[in-house]
Amino acid sequence: AQSVAQPEDQVKVAEGNPLTVKCTYSVSGNPYLFWYVQYPNRGLQFLLKYITGDNLVKGSYGFEAEFNKSQTSFHLKKPSALVSDSALYFCAVRDVETGGYNKLIFGAGTRLAVHP
Amino acid sequence: EPEVTQTPSHQVTQMGQEVILRCVPISNHLYFYWYRQILGQKVEFLVSFYNNEISEKSEIFDDQFSVERPDGSNFTLKIRSTKLEDSAMYFCASSTTSGRSNEQFFGPGTRLTVL
Repeated sequence: AQSVAQPEDQVKVAEGNPLTVKCTYSVSGNPYLFWYVQYPNRGLQFLLKYITGDNLVKGSYGFEAEFNKSQTSFHLKKPSALVSDSALYFCAVRDVETGGYNKLIFGAGTRLAVHP
Repeated sequence: EPEVTQTPSHQVTQMGQEVILRCVPISNHLYFYWYRQILGQKVEFLVSFYNNEISEKSEIFDDQFSVERPDGSNFTLKIRSTKLEDSAMYFCASSTTSGRSNEQFFGPGTRLTVL
């Protein structure tokens, strides 16, 4: 069965320091991977996706993610964190087993806290 | 920037009552979805909808649930007889296509509390 794991419930980082939010996946076939962010009282906002091509994917708000097939990982990164990046981050994989390709399978989420 | 909107933001209901959660997807999107997140748990897929019919549903989406697009803009989720375990945040999403590479755009959610 397909799944996504976010091993850290919370990540704390100082403003200006690089940040990494981890995600590993388990899929049959090629993975279609997504990162979403949720700010308080807001919906899930799309950050970036990996479909094919370059392993380093760039997205919104200066975020990027590195796809690593051998480690089955898709870690979210940012070179210099901002306090305003503090939010809940979700990794997701597109379901390609049921045939409908509609469903996103989410990880449990990682709360990022950036302190001044 | 176009957004998915949802109403109400918070709904409190008594067990056994019917509730209708409303969503307005992005106007040129054709595929619509409902997800839910029970407090402290993962976001879970409920159902997808295209061309006025359900295209996929999860095990959670049993006979107590239904979806409808009553007009050209709204997309609703109805729970006929709510149970305590239906308490969750319900997210609506939409996308232009159903392609594997296509991202889904989410609304802010409706928090449903069943007493």
